[in-house]
Amino acid sequence: DSGVTQTPKHLITATGQRVTLRCSPRSGDLSVYWYQQSLDQGLQFLIQYYNGEERAKGNILERFSAQQFPDLHSELNLSSLELGDSALYFCASSVDMNTEAFFGQGTRLTVV
Amino acid sequence: EDKVVQSPLSLVVHEGDTVTLNCSYEVTNFRSLLWYKQEKKAPTFLFMLTSSGIEKKSGRLSSILDKKELFSILNITATQTGDSAIYLCAVGPLLIGDYKLSFGAGTTVTVRA
Repeated sequence: DSGVTQTPKHLITATGQRVTLRCSPRSGDLSVYWYQQSLDQGLQFLIQYYNGEERAKGNILERFSAQQFPDLHSELNLSSLELGDSALYFCASSVDMNTEAFFGQGTRLTVV
Repeated sequence: EDKVVQSPLSLVVHEGDTVTLNCSYEVTNFRSLLWYKQEKKAPTFLFMLTSSGIEKKSGRLSSILDKKELFSILNITATQTGDSAIYLCAVGPLLIGDYKLSFGAGTTVTVRA
């Protein structure tokens, strides 16, 4: 167990809907990262937050947004869902840039 | 754009064999290279390498980084069926507070009994 908690584990929703994925980082970790893993794309970096502030952005769609709250948990919001958004969404956390990132178990999103 | 290329894409070996996985990279402001093992779900951390030529070891796994030639290798000796997994290589930039990791596509290792 990495200490990073993601909920829910599985999510099935219809196209056009909006979902929220939640991540609780390891105790003491200030940095949270979101990654998307689909079969044909591998692990793709979406966005990073550090102590509540957005620090880095990857190829995140405009329909997706995220935030990190004062208690350091993070949420990834996905809206106007499309079939192609079906993937595993991972959250990872690290203390800072000098330490490795630890991954949660992921949320499997299926859009039907 | 950062590029991380892993090879081979997949390999099948028998228990007891040694495998060598390769990771080459092109990254602006390189900071570190990480290896992860992904079995069913979450990637689990194996090694983080920041200095050239210093081997990191954990049991039957070892890894080394060559910052001049921009590559790393991960070795697994005396392989066991439990080593079957996807091995991911990732690189991170040298930017304050930014630990975006760029991942390679992974190498799928299958160890047959």
